[in-house]
Amino acid sequence: DADVTQTPRNRITKTGKRIMLECSQTKGHDRMYWYRQDPGLGLRLIYYSFDVKDINKGEISDGYSVSRQAQAKFSLSLESAIPNQTALYFCATSEDNYGYTFGSGTRLTVV
Amino acid sequence: RKEVEQDPGPFNVPEGATVAFNCTYSNSASQSFFWYRQDCRKEPKLLMSVYSSGNEDGRFTAQLNRASQYISLLIRDSKLSDSATYLCVVNSGGYNKLIFGAGTRLAVHP
Repeated sequence: DADVTQTPRNRITKTGKRIMLECSQTKGHDRMYWYRQDPGLGLRLIYYSFDVKDINKGEISDGYSVSRQAQAKFSLSLESAIPNQTALYFCATSEDNYGYTFGSGTRLTVV
Repeated sequence: RKEVEQDPGPFNVPEGATVAFNCTYSNSASQSFFWYRQDCRKEPKLLMSVYSSGNEDGRFTAQLNRASQYISLLIRDSKLSDSATYLCVVNSGGYNKLIFGAGTRLAVHP
């Protein structure tokens, strides 16, 4: 099993729908992150969490929310999806600033 | 201005060539520096950390210039399998999170 598992791998959804992307990890790390990647823009941080009770906004949190249900799980929600949220989404974990481990990504298309 | 800037490339080089990428960062308080590799449609993976004294891992050499706020990656004897996008990554000063550059694409051809 992968250290960081993201589901679904691919998703097509309609504008206005609520969608949740899930991430689970077996690394035992406290820190978890959600990034989105767009061509030419690199990875941009959406939200991050350093502990189960800790939630922090990243640089592009508008239109997203997260839930850290347990140390191993960090889910990302789009309350009302819009087309410009079409992107590749990555979850990552780390023990500290060294060596993020990424999931395989979720390719989301909003039509 | 972006916190981390890289030349997007692509760098098209023949097998066996030496190629170098540079990256500049804007936050002088940054303390941790990395190069990640990302294959097409795959997740980024840590290639190497970058230390003040410079470091080498096989064919890969990373250098840090704090005064000029840039980081470099040198790849010697390029292989076809080196074809990928190389991401320059810097921690955001005191905020304990990493900022990723948009990446430099390398294409190694026979």
